[in-house]
Amino acid sequence: NAGVTQTPKFRVLKTGQSMTLLCAQDMNHEYMYWYRQDPGMGLRLIHYSVGEGTTAKGEVPDGYNVSRLKKQNFLLGLESAAPSQTSVYFCASSPRDGRENTEAFFGQGTRLTVV
Amino acid sequence: QKEVEQDPGPLSVPEGAIVSLNCTYSNSAFQYFMWYRQYSRKGPELLMYTYSSGNKEDGRFTAQVDKSSKYISLFIRDSQPSDSATYLCAAQNTGGFKTIFGAGTRLFVKA
Repeated sequence: NAGVTQTPKFRVLKTGQSMTLLCAQDMNHEYMYWYRQDPGMGLRLIHYSVGEGTTAKGEVPDGYNVSRLKKQNFLLGLESAAPSQTSVYFCASSPRDGRENTEAFFGQGTRLTVV
Repeated sequence: QKEVEQDPGPLSVPEGAIVSLNCTYSNSAFQYFMWYRQYSRKGPELLMYTYSSGNKEDGRFTAQVDKSSKYISLFIRDSQPSDSATYLCAAQNTGGFKTIFGAGTRLFVKA
């Protein structure tokens, strides 16, 4: 079972460059999320999606854009990278199965350094 | 103020010790409370969850929620070196799907 797969696992960018992080899940989950994790800050929600073709802003959306053209994929874009975007990025997905509580399944993370 | 507050530690204990990890939260609408475990350079994985107030036990792990004081706890009995990880508390609203995470507490269990 692949679960949630993130590509790439590591990347170094120069300030001003752009890039796209890819997240793919094979669990047929409706909900997908992008988080960033920084020391002392925990996981902060960047953007999320409640289904194919939908996206919404999370807690820290500035400087990022997302797209969910296919149910299994959730892309995170950085149009003009800044050093403040140096972080570990996690993608997660969760099911809409009628229960109140939904467990989030996480990918392995992408370590991004902006120099 | 973050909706879920957690002391980042680190917390270092000897093998066999009882570990107590704690969080506080501010949003009264939270009904589901979770603990995720994250090993170094890995994604978080759900360890336990509880609904509203009360205790839940799973092997050496006990999760406790006190809604009157907005306090979340995780107890680990007979701690092992393999328990060394970062533990993140989290909370959700009823009917919600967005999870709010604490900063995570880094735990080291020394053999």
